[in-house]
Amino acid sequence: SQQGEEDPQALSIQEGENATMNCSYKTSINNLQWYRQNSGRGLVHLILIRSNEREKHSGRLRVTLDTSKKSSSLLITASRAADTASYFCATALIQGAQKLVFGQGTRLTINP
Amino acid sequence: DAGVIQSPRHEVTEMGQEVTLRCKPISGHNSLFWYRQTMMRGLELLIYFNNNVPIDDSGMPEDRFSAKMPNASFSTLKIQPSEPRDSAVYFCASSSRLAGGNEQYFGPGTRLTVT
Repeated sequence: SQQGEEDPQALSIQEGENATMNCSYKTSINNLQWYRQNSGRGLVHLILIRSNEREKHSGRLRVTLDTSKKSSSLLITASRAADTASYFCATALIQGAQKLVFGQGTRLTINP
Repeated sequence: DAGVIQSPRHEVTEMGQEVTLRCKPISGHNSLFWYRQTMMRGLELLIYFNNNVPIDDSGMPEDRFSAKMPNASFSTLKIQPSEPRDSAVYFCASSSRLAGGNEQYFGPGTRLTVT
């Protein structure tokens, strides 16, 4: 079973709306990361949140982490057509570990 | 920095042929990862190296797959013999613990089609 599972699998919204994606995981983590993948390209790192952090911002991105519920959410505010992509969460299980466990991703479509 | 470089970008080969994928990680990164992505199975970690040493190859599907990292700036993933079910996009990624985190930087991928 997946360590990280995103929800929903697919999301379609209008440009300008906010998009929220969720990630749940099963075991204790050191940090959780979100990545974006545009069609036909490699994944791009967006943001990292450590296990002792609850919220982090980067531009129009807001990430929350609830370690008691083993879940994280990624909020993209004021969405743009260019935000259309797949979004993956990835967890690092132990401190210092370079290996990440990726979820299956959420496919986000922003309609103009 | 040029980022992670992969070659070739596209490979079409016939079943039974040997396929070699190449990766040049970001200079100074000490960890290198090979992933495979398909619609059915998503993104799968095949193998990763720390300081050129294979650490975890539990994701390598079978003996037909092998990976090497002869030095800090080059790695190969070889499939011999290739099969149609190996068709996928193969990504290489690198990261550096020295940078303070474990964010991974992905290459553009190699799209492999085995007919």
